[in-house]
Amino acid sequence: QSVLTQPPSVSGAPGQRVTISCTGSSSNIGAGYDVHWYQQLPGTAPKLLIYGNSNRPSGVPDRFSGSKSGTSASLAITGLQAEDEADYYCQSYDSSLSGGVFGTGTKVTVL
Amino acid sequence: EVQLVQSGAEVKKPGESLKISCKGSGYSFTSYWIGWVRQMPGKGLEWMGIIYPGDSDTRYSPSFQGQVTISADKSISTAYLQWSSLKASDTAMYYCARLASNYVDWFDPWGQGTLVTVSS
Repeated sequence: QSVLTQPPSVSGAPGQRVTISCTGSSSNIGAGYDVHWYQQLPGTAPKLLIYGNSNRPSGVPDRFSGSKSGTSASLAITGLQAEDEADYYCQSYDSSLSGGVFGTGTKVTVL
Repeated sequence: EVQLVQSGAEVKKPGESLKISCKGSGYSFTSYWIGWVRQMPGKGLEWMGIIYPGDSDTRYSPSFQGQVTISADKSISTAYLQWSSLKASDTAMYYCARLASNYVDWFDPWGQGTLVTVSS
């Protein structure tokens, strides 16, 4: 089971803002390890969306933003579009497991 | 262009062995960690383990330690994930991905995935 908890689903109308939380603990996010986010469109491999808590790779729209505070992190999508309908995962490193960990995943639905 | 290309889909019987591959190109293969990620049908992503091809340093998630073997052949820029005795519960999509620079970093890019089906 994952040590990073995300809401199973979030939804919003086109143009709205949605946020996805990623809750960890003192051995991962709370220990200072960075959080990264991935987008997985149906039937495709995951794609890096945010790295190092709040950095966007080249080509990722600025509608996507990330933040981190304490033992949690968040991904925000502003100006929601139909093409944003996908699964989203957070990822960090856990010192007690001596390895990386993924969040439970969140399905974003555009109404 | 940095690229990871994985081997094709596999259909195996329980108890059989299997080795799937992930070939890197467009970068110095020996200078970056490569990881493996499992995605069971309809489920989330699971971090399995990583290898540094430069010296074959390998780290496993406790959940996968002893269940799979991760290796690499730097002469052909290829990483591997292998099973000695497959179970039906190994049925999943397996992705390889490159870590940015350090083993605590993010995965980018990802391979296209290899679907492994284990059924009698």
